[in-house]
Amino acid sequence: NAGVTQTPKFQVLKTGQSMTLQCAQDMNHEYMSWYRQDPGMGLRLIHYSVGAGITDQGEVPNGYNVSRSTTEDFPLRLLSAAPSQTSVYFCASSYSGVPTETQYFGPGTRLLVL
Amino acid sequence: AQSVTQLGSHVSVSEGALVLLRCNYSSSVPPYLFWYVQYPNQGLQLLLKYTSAATLVKGINGFEAEFKKSETSFHLTKPSAHMSDAAEYFCAALPEGIQGAQKLVFGQGTRLTINP
Repeated sequence: NAGVTQTPKFQVLKTGQSMTLQCAQDMNHEYMSWYRQDPGMGLRLIHYSVGAGITDQGEVPNGYNVSRSTTEDFPLRLLSAAPSQTSVYFCASSYSGVPTETQYFGPGTRLLVL
Repeated sequence: AQSVTQLGSHVSVSEGALVLLRCNYSSSVPPYLFWYVQYPNQGLQLLLKYTSAATLVKGINGFEAEFKKSETSFHLTKPSAHMSDAAEYFCAALPEGIQGAQKLVFGQGTRLTINP
């Protein structure tokens, strides 16, 4: 049971480039989410999914796209990278959307946009 | 809108000393409250959560937190710090009535350093 896995661990992009951050979980969780973590700001929700084929926006969705074709995978796409997207990105999953449900986080992807 | 404030971005204690990490939330209705820990180069891990069942919540690794409605606080404590407790700690809240565990509102984090 690998839990939540993310690739790559670290990436450097040039402004305007696109890329996809990968996230996978093997716990058969319905809910998956993407957060970004910036110094002094905690984690902020980018997009989330409540099941295959269903996604919705979080607090800071601009510049990012998501899709959920399978229960296991939830990739995050940066369409045209900007320096403001330099951050650490975390994927998380939970069994359900019950408010007190525990979320399981991946190890993160550190992204630097030059 | 719900907000979470963690007092002190850095806290340093000696090994064996009391650990106290402060968290206050802004809401007239007590939300669900959580403490997460992030060890270096790892994702966040749940320490404990308050779900209105009991005001004193015990978590993993000897940590506990007490919910105080009158102070809108949910401070995290551990009686005796261990070197392995060095990490970043996040307080988070989920407003009452909001569906979806993913919609947590996080504080800015407190980095805990343990001095030998």
